Amino acid sequence: GQQVMQIPQYQHVQEGEDFTTYCNSSTTLSNIQWYKQRPGGHPVFLIQLVKSGEVKKQKRLTFQFGEAKKNSSLHITATQTTDVGTYFCAGKNAGNMLTFGGGTRLMVKP
Amino acid sequence: DAGVIQSPRHEVTEMGQEVTLRCKPISGHDYLFWYRQTMMRGLELLIYFNNNVPIDDSGMPEDRFSAKMPNASFSTLKIQPSEPRDSAVYFCASRRAGLSYNEQFFGPGTRLTVL
Repeated sequence: GQQVMQIPQYQHVQEGEDFTTYCNSSTTLSNIQWYKQRPGGHPVFLIQLVKSGEVKKQKRLTFQFGEAKKNSSLHITATQTTDVGTYFCAGKNAGNMLTFGGGTRLMVKP
Repeated sequence: DAGVIQSPRHEVTEMGQEVTLRCKPISGHDYLFWYRQTMMRGLELLIYFNNNVPIDDSGMPEDRFSAKMPNASFSTLKIQPSEPRDSAVYFCASRRAGLSYNEQFFGPGTRLTVL
């Protein structure tokens, strides 16, 4: 079945440093979504990417979808303590199911 | 809108007991998903419904788990009998149908501890 791998598993950064998490799927995706889960919270939708090579920005967050639609990345510029949490990518194939990556837990030192 | 509602928020039970988790999706949403989250296995899809009909239950661990959706505003996930390895956070999520509505809205989760 479809597998979605995410690296790194954990990342400690100093406040103000940049952060990137990478997502790779074993199969071509119809779209990819990103979610953020704060400690003790539930996943919250951030964005969806659909087109090959698509790049979207949300303030300090930049999301990319690979040309082959099998990989994606999330980059945060100048991290803040409010960015703390676990970031999940979730790949969608032709069906209605999302396959979540294992997540990258971001910790920011003030 | 109140969002996806789950109850109870926390459940502590003893091995062998029956556990029932409840979910009320967002009104108007056609899809409902049950997920389980653990440190070891991450976020796993257990089952999902479309218009109250179970579509894919291949993620349900074993026969001890069952899920129902008797109407558009209510779903249950039952574990009988429960075992310590079932301890996890169980999330319910819902979304609307249609290509433009892929965002899943998650409930706050039920933290289950089986002693």
